[in-house]
Amino acid sequence: DTGVSQNPRHKITKRGQNVTFRCDPISEHNRLYWYRQTLGQGPEFLTYFQNEAQLEKSRLLSDRFSAERPKGSFSTLEIQRTEQGDSAMYLCASSLVGGEAFFGQGTRLTVV
Amino acid sequence: GQQVMQIPQYQHVQEGEDFTTYCNSSTTLSNIQWYKQRPGGHPVFLIQLVKSGEVKKQKRLTFQFGEAKKNSSLHITATQTTDVGTYFCAGPGLIFGKGTKLSVKP
Repeated sequence: DTGVSQNPRHKITKRGQNVTFRCDPISEHNRLYWYRQTLGQGPEFLTYFQNEAQLEKSRLLSDRFSAERPKGSFSTLEIQRTEQGDSAMYLCASSLVGGEAFFGQGTRLTVV
Repeated sequence: GQQVMQIPQYQHVQEGEDFTTYCNSSTTLSNIQWYKQRPGGHPVFLIQLVKSGEVKKQKRLTFQFGEAKKNSSLHITATQTTDVGTYFCAGPGLIFGKGTKLSVKP
């Protein structure tokens, strides 16, 4: 499968723990996006990279969230000191500049 | 990123009826993309509009980009149960609207 891959698919964690998600984009895509989606809502933009540079980060994103794309290929999204309000589906998408975005299946986070 | 607003939030139609969702921005958009998300799935790209006044068709789906490039619409003719899902527009920077959830009664 040469699409966007996200791991893990599901994560259950206790409040206060740190979690890290991984996204492997389509190999030739230089843009990579992270979104958070809750039930009945649209994908909420978190951040995006062009190659290894993080070009934009949502003002809604607290300091507990950080993302990296160290070699311009895969990306990680870390949430520190998780809260129950962080429970959501975390979606990753990749694209060429100006092109259509391809989404992964998402990582469903449940904070208990 | 540029924010886009979508209306309506929900639309319930009888199979065979038409459906339209609207996407509006307060600023000029360089382009707009449309995506469909089936229940339990992830967003899937439908189309990108770039030119002022552009109209594109995909079978029963018609996409329009306004002359001022501040609004767009998606129209589905004669809806089918397979059209069920949430339709999102996304402005430059891939900032998504809140979507229009379509349900189709057979």
